[in-house]
Amino acid sequence: GQQLNQSPQSMFIQEGEDVSMNCTSSSIFNTWLWYKQDPGEGPVLLIALYKAGELTSNGRLTAQFGITRKDSFLNISASIPSDVGIYFCLGRVGGTSYGKLTFGQGTILTVHP
Amino acid sequence: NAGVTQTPKFRVLKTGQSMTLLCAQDMNHEYMYWYRQDPGMGLRLIHYSVGEGTTAKGEVPDGYNVSRLKKQNFLLGLESAAPSQTSVYFCASESGETQYFGPGTRLLVL
Repeated sequence: GQQLNQSPQSMFIQEGEDVSMNCTSSSIFNTWLWYKQDPGEGPVLLIALYKAGELTSNGRLTAQFGITRKDSFLNISASIPSDVGIYFCLGRVGGTSYGKLTFGQGTILTVHP
Repeated sequence: NAGVTQTPKFRVLKTGQSMTLLCAQDMNHEYMYWYRQDPGMGLRLIHYSVGEGTTAKGEVPDGYNVSRLKKQNFLLGLESAAPSQTSVYFCASESGETQYFGPGTRLLVL
């Protein structure tokens, strides 16, 4: 099946620093989604990307759909303690809801006050 | 509007026991999914459903069965639990491209 490599696996940063993470694949995706999972909770959608080259922001978060359609990036600016959690990317093939889904392994973010 | 709920929140089983995990959504979504989450593996799709009365296999369906008798409920069954099924199970329902996840069920199989 399709493989998604998400990096880094974990990050330990100081409050106020910027954060970057990415997902790469050998396959092409039509949609990229980024989720955050708080401890003991289910993932919550942060940003959805539908078009190659698309750059979308949600507050301090910015995500980009790579031009090759094989990668995506998530940046968090001026991190705060509540940014702690696990961040996942999700690549989708096809526009239909039951198109093949592939999740990245997750990036564990720790923010020190 | 409770969104997606899952019961139970936590369960301990002995090898060979059976159980059913319940997922319920009140958003009238057609599509529902069951995932398992293991350390370092990300979320993996077990089974999914595109509507009442329909189910389909995902990436890791072996050892699990599902049923979607009512639109709002998606049940995940383990007929004979194995230690390899120790995991956190997430249910999701979907509208458009957005998946809405439940809080998860933590299952430990001894």
